[in-house]
Amino acid sequence: GESVGLHLPTLSVQEGDNSIINCAYSNSASDYFIWYKQESGKGPQFIIDIRSNMDKRQGQRVTVLLNKTVKHLSLQIAATQPGDSAVYFCAEIKAAGNKLTFGGGTRVLVKP
Amino acid sequence: EAQVTQNPRYLITVTGKKLTVTCSQNMNHEYMSWYRQDPGLGLRQIYYSMNVEVTDKGDVPEGYKVSRKEKRNFPLILESPSPNQTSLYFCASSLGTRSEKLFFGSGTQLSVL
Repeated sequence: GESVGLHLPTLSVQEGDNSIINCAYSNSASDYFIWYKQESGKGPQFIIDIRSNMDKRQGQRVTVLLNKTVKHLSLQIAATQPGDSAVYFCAEIKAAGNKLTFGGGTRVLVKP
Repeated sequence: EAQVTQNPRYLITVTGKKLTVTCSQNMNHEYMSWYRQDPGLGLRQIYYSMNVEVTDKGDVPEGYKVSRKEKRNFPLILESPSPNQTSLYFCASSLGTRSEKLFFGSGTQLSVL
């Protein structure tokens, strides 16, 4: 249902273009970061993760970049497709802990 | 098919009437967790379990109970539901004892009148 979030930041992107979704994380002690995708009416789905000892990790059509200096995480989607329309959440886990904290989410709308 | 199964998908109830939302995973995962998702507040953890008979509070545990008698099941119990527990609930599991690479269920939309 449409309980994912009102007033979410929204990124509109043309089909075929690249998308960049940004996330500022809060804790410099976090050592593990994840991106989830949530389509309407579904649960979040794991996309890609990265540990704090890395700056970049690539998956299929997705790349995650981690800048620990400014505590910034980004998700790049290459050649965005209609099926990429969803809400994207970043999440972090603090080192030596197990508390997963989610960001507020960004809605991506892909225009045909 | 590997999955996390929640039931029911939708539930409307009245204040004070005890209810249980079931969650089951078929992946032999150690870690299981419950989240609620509210507009403007994102996903917040209610309870989690790192193994059988081991449960712990998340960020918003008040008004909820859980149990982990078997590895595959992690029910969420609302002993006396109140309207502020109207929300979209998700169960999730992961292989290790950390909340990495969570697999989520499809959600339970709960309305408490």
